[in-house]
Amino acid sequence: AQKITQTQPGMFVQEKEAVTLDCTYDTSDPSYGLFWYKQPSSGEMIFLIYQGSYDQQNATEGRYSLNFQKARKSANLVISASQLGDSAMYFCAMREGYNFNKFYFGSGTKLNVKP
Amino acid sequence: KAGVTQTPRYLIKTRGQQVTLSCSPISGHRSVSWYQQTPGQGLQFLFEYFSETQRNKGNFPGRFSGRQFSNSRSEMNVSTLELGDSALYLCASSAPGLFYYEQYFGPGTRLTVT
Repeated sequence: AQKITQTQPGMFVQEKEAVTLDCTYDTSDPSYGLFWYKQPSSGEMIFLIYQGSYDQQNATEGRYSLNFQKARKSANLVISASQLGDSAMYFCAMREGYNFNKFYFGSGTKLNVKP
Repeated sequence: KAGVTQTPRYLIKTRGQQVTLSCSPISGHRSVSWYQQTPGQGLQFLFEYFSETQRNKGNFPGRFSGRQFSNSRSEMNVSTLELGDSALYLCASSAPGLFYYEQYFGPGTRLTVT
């Protein structure tokens, strides 16, 4: 089974609107971390936000928030007030506790912000 | 703090040749991971080094190898290059041990095999 699933290959959003990028994960380990990365066309991966499996509250970092639904194994990224510079590939990733330095990445979602 | 650096940034090689890519992690980071990114396969984990030892390995043929030096710098080597090895190779470093540390990525080396 896929460890990380991103079902939206591409999405469009109007500038200044909010957008949700979906991510589901699969693990039987109680200790894990979930991450979102942004990859602009330049290629560099930029860390956005982190959610730990034991964290009670959803993580937020500026305009980014992570909608963590543990029972559903879902970790959706919400970007509020989209900007043109948000156009990029977005990857969801997971690190499991027992194999703690192996990252699993999803296939990514290409976000296009329209002016 | 300086970020993760990778050299060279771009490389063109011909089939059958070999190539060595270099990665310098963030100061203090002892874990270095390598990934191959292609349009068709996405991001695929190659291997991870920690304190000069390979700790994790992905599903790549033995033509792909790596090593880590005592200063945590890492090299990746691909021998007998094939056209399908054309990709962006990303290196990432993270702080030792704990699972909640994010990986910081370098800008990547774009390898083209002709």
